[in-house]
Amino acid sequence: NAGVMQNPRHLVRRRGQEARLRCSPMKGHSHVYWYRQLPEEGLKFMVYLQKENIIDESGMPKERFSAEFPKEGPSILRIQQVVRGDSAAYFCASSRQGYEQYFGPGTRLTVT
Amino acid sequence: KQEVTQIPAALSVPEGENLVLNCSFTDSAIYNLQWFRQDPGKGLTSLLLIQSSQREQTSGRLNASLDKSSGRSTLYIAASQPGDSATYLCAVPYSTDSWGKLQFGAGTQVVVTP
Repeated sequence: NAGVMQNPRHLVRRRGQEARLRCSPMKGHSHVYWYRQLPEEGLKFMVYLQKENIIDESGMPKERFSAEFPKEGPSILRIQQVVRGDSAAYFCASSRQGYEQYFGPGTRLTVT
Repeated sequence: KQEVTQIPAALSVPEGENLVLNCSFTDSAIYNLQWFRQDPGKGLTSLLLIQSSQREQTSGRLNASLDKSSGRSTLYIAASQPGDSATYLCAVPYSTDSWGKLQFGAGTQVVVTP
């Protein structure tokens, strides 16, 4: 009974490159959430998705960030033209509707 | 807008003492409240979830209480062990319309000394 899977665990990108972060929810979970933890800051909500739908993207930066959760395959958080300020830990969580969220180990993005 | 505060920010206790961690929230109309543990450089581990209709929830040495009217939750950890050293986070949904969007406190960093 695998938990929430995220890959890669560590990602290094140069400024201007694209970053793709993947999240596979727990079995039986159809709700996926992305959070970001900036250095020395708390966890901040980014986006909430169900299969093929974005439910709440109120925490997503307006530019360069996008997320999807296709019918088949993992959820993807995509960051285009990364900047140093994007360096952070990105966590994915999953749940059944209305139930507790289970978090993955995170992807630590470093922009050089 | 829901705001979550955790006091104290840091706590150090000798092994065997009971831990008391506090969480307060501004909007009492919460859907549920969740406590997590985060180890350095790691992800979050869900400890307990309390539904809005519950007053407390227990799991092993952990007990969490919820008082919606006063906007508070308390996490008790009995007979602390060095392995309990971590940052403890509480989170509530941003609003009843945004139950999937969790608002986190800044956390309480706990150190249990042998």
